[in-house]
Amino acid sequence: AQSVTQLGSHVSVSEGALVLLRCNYSSSVPPYLFWYVQYPNQGLQLLLKYTTGATLVKGINGFEAEFKKSETSFHLTKPSAHMSDAAEYFCAVSRSGGSYIPTFGRGTSLIVHP
Amino acid sequence: DTGVSQDPRHKITKRGQNVTFRCDPISEHNRLYWYRQTLGQGPEFLTYFQNEAQLEKSRLLSDRFSAERPKGSFSTLEIQRTEQGDSAMYLCASSPEFPTEAFFGQGTRLTVV
Repeated sequence: AQSVTQLGSHVSVSEGALVLLRCNYSSSVPPYLFWYVQYPNQGLQLLLKYTTGATLVKGINGFEAEFKKSETSFHLTKPSAHMSDAAEYFCAVSRSGGSYIPTFGRGTSLIVHP
Repeated sequence: DTGVSQDPRHKITKRGQNVTFRCDPISEHNRLYWYRQTLGQGPEFLTYFQNEAQLEKSRLLSDRFSAERPKGSFSTLEIQRTEQGDSAMYLCASSPEFPTEAFFGQGTRLTVV
């Protein structure tokens, strides 16, 4: 079985401040890990992914995440928040028993203040 | 590559009516997934196809729900005798044979009144 826990349903930052969105996963096999972003009434867009190799992965819009196996974490960061980053962010894990079906966390709403 | 397409984008129906949604995956993708998303929640897995075979179904997929993927191309999700609790965003996603990420459509928002 696999699961994802996203700490904090809402995160509020000022424009220009560091963004940190937390994700912890549970998986019985080596995971594939993803961060997706969702804008209102839209589908999910992939920000970045970890499959194998380098544990620090860079994505679109200046976001990056680091896979830490010992901590079972995959936290999302961005050095400087922009107003356009305000959205819902979802962490997901897949590759359990070969089905590759992504399991999502409950999401974190990022609020950016001017 | 036009991405994953879902139709309709919005559907309002009366309780007790049947509804059907369509998903057209990215053409070379043989894996297709349906998810349901309610307000303030993450997407919840409903069912998964590999080509035309429905390989997994969630406990969330009650007897009123049925999904098909004839010929391994587009897929339909039908809900019979809709209930107010069925109101949600229904998301379709696809991925290739050796998947990494799933590619999502824009979703169909269902409102049952």
